[in-house]
Amino acid sequence: DSGVTQTPKHLITATGQRVTLRCSPRSGDLSVYWYQQSLDQGLQFLIQYYNGEERAKGNILERFSAQQFPDLHSELNLSSLELGDSALYFCASSVVGRGHDEQFFGPGTRLTVL
Amino acid sequence: QKEVEQDPGPLSVPEGAIVSLNCTYSNSAFQYFMWYRQYSRKGPELLMYTYSSGNKEDGRFTAQVDKSSKYISLFIRDSQPSDSATYLCAMSALRNNDMRFGAGTRLTVKP
Repeated sequence: DSGVTQTPKHLITATGQRVTLRCSPRSGDLSVYWYQQSLDQGLQFLIQYYNGEERAKGNILERFSAQQFPDLHSELNLSSLELGDSALYFCASSVVGRGHDEQFFGPGTRLTVL
Repeated sequence: QKEVEQDPGPLSVPEGAIVSLNCTYSNSAFQYFMWYRQYSRKGPELLMYTYSSGNKEDGRFTAQVDKSSKYISLFIRDSQPSDSATYLCAMSALRNNDMRFGAGTRLTVKP
């Protein structure tokens, strides 16, 4: 158990809908990362937050947005969902988020868009 | 061409074998090189990380980085059935946590 929690574990929804994925980082970790893992694209970095502020952006679509709250939990919002958004979404956390400190991954949320 | 190339396998070996996993990359800015292990239905966990070129050993695992060839390897000695998992290479530029992952190699170690 990495100490990172994600809810829900599974999510099934329809095209065009909007969903919110939630992540609680390890105690003491200030930085949160979101990743998407799909069969065709592999594991891709989406976005990083540090202590409430966006720090780095990867291959995140404009339909997706994220935020980190004062209690350091984070939410990833996915809107106007398409079939291709079906994937595993992982959250990871690290202490600081600079240089390279280890990222600890949560168990993921499996999103299915029908 | 993908930024990070990794043969997805699958790779099947007998227990006790030496396993060699490899990745190549194209971005010369990468300075940090990582290997993650991912069990089925779980998140990735960090196995090894190396800064710049060289070797690093941790128990049965050895990571090698050859920046001149843009080639990294992970060796597993005395492989065990519990090593059966998907192994992902990952890399990032200095002070940049935008990690780029390989496709992952699925390894099965048969008793």
